[in-house]
Amino acid sequence: LAKTTQPISMDSYEGQEVNITCSHNNIATNDYITWYQQFPSQGPRFIIQGYKTKVTNEVASLFIPADRKSSTLSLPRVSLSDTAVYYCLVGPMNTGFQKLVFGTGTRLLVSP
Amino acid sequence: NAGVTQTPKFQVLKTGQSMTLQCAQDMNHNSMYWYRQDPGMGLRLIYYSASEGTTDKGEVPNGYNVSRLNKREFSLRLESAAPSQTSVYFCASSEAILTLRRTDTQYFGPGTRLTVL
Repeated sequence: LAKTTQPISMDSYEGQEVNITCSHNNIATNDYITWYQQFPSQGPRFIIQGYKTKVTNEVASLFIPADRKSSTLSLPRVSLSDTAVYYCLVGPMNTGFQKLVFGTGTRLLVSP
Repeated sequence: NAGVTQTPKFQVLKTGQSMTLQCAQDMNHNSMYWYRQDPGMGLRLIYYSASEGTTDKGEVPNGYNVSRLNKREFSLRLESAAPSQTSVYFCASSEAILTLRRTDTQYFGPGTRLTVL
């Protein structure tokens, strides 16, 4: 599985847009990029996944440049409830079962 | 539809005691996993079951055993608890069906907070 690097922590204020960038220089051709979110005292939950260009859902957007060596998770107009740890993972598609490797993630703190 | 459930939510053990953490999923998923998460750290895979009837070691299996009881249930057993096993334990499941359009997504339970004195 490709190794990922992301900032340890980020601070923001309510109403701002937050962008968390993840580096994955060794991403393989058949790898997808997936982000999980973990609130305090809860298990992680899937928030978004993409292969290239831009993906948007009701929670976030994911921007992936053409070389796919990095990706940016964008959270529009964050609120206090977006305070969480965000994990970037890279793993292959077309495999069915796979083992995930969670790094330490990015700890986002949103203040009033 | 409860998703992934875990029992108990909290547990305190003395060194040397044994216990079993229970996990069940109602999503008809093929694969199930056990992770541990220590303070300020990411999740580390203890054991997994890619499909009913199979189990395999993950990154940190020492001191643990697992049983895939049926497709729904996957238990984690600590035979002789040690203080180093103080952690939060998460169970997860995934569909694990081959697909051309995405990678497998894991769904996590609420966790069991275990303290070993």
